Amino acid sequence: ETGVTQTPRHLVMGMTNKKSLKCEQHLGHNAMYWYKQSAKKPLELMFVYSLEERVENNSVPSRFSPECPNSSHLFLHLHTLQPEDSALYLCASSQETSGGLNNEQFFGPGTRLTVL
Amino acid sequence: AQKVTQAQTEISVVEKEDVTLDCVYETRDTTYYLFWYKQPPSGELVFLIRRNSFDEQNEISGRYSWNFQKSTSSFNFTITASQVVDSAVYFCALTSPDTGGGNKLTFGTGTQLKVEL
Repeated sequence: ETGVTQTPRHLVMGMTNKKSLKCEQHLGHNAMYWYKQSAKKPLELMFVYSLEERVENNSVPSRFSPECPNSSHLFLHLHTLQPEDSALYLCASSQETSGGLNNEQFFGPGTRLTVL
Repeated sequence: AQKVTQAQTEISVVEKEDVTLDCVYETRDTTYYLFWYKQPPSGELVFLIRRNSFDEQNEISGRYSWNFQKSTSSFNFTITASQVVDSAVYFCALTSPDTGGGNKLTFGTGTQLKVEL
């Protein structure tokens, strides 16, 4: 068990729906991340939060809206998605974001999202 | 720009065989960190190892071993006496303190390992 949980594990939504993905880490880490994993593509970093402040927004469309109310919780709010947004969305956490020591990221099981 | 190449898309072996997964990286930074992650069918990425650029010692952990060679910019991963439970996608990744904050990991495209009986 990695200490990072994600809900729901599977989500099917229409293009006009609004839904949210939830991530919770139980590791006492200071940083949390959202990644997108599409078939045949490398993992793509979407957002990084450090101590509840967004430090990276990797040119993600505005139909994805992150929220980090505290260092243990991270949300990804979804609205008016496109079928090409169907993917596995992974959450991760790490102790630091400095790119130095204690920077290994621990991942949750992901949410498999299908947009119809 | 940083880049990680995992040239092997898929490898199939028979149980108890040894298998090596290749990882070649590119970076201009002198300080950097390399990682291996395992992604079983359940989906989550499981952290296996981190290697610092200033530590070229190879590492062994049970049936797993890693060979870090700066001269060839490679960080290869060997599983000895493979088992069916080793079947997964394995990712190599790279980051450095100079990625502009945010601890950005650059991932390779992964190697699908299938271990059969």
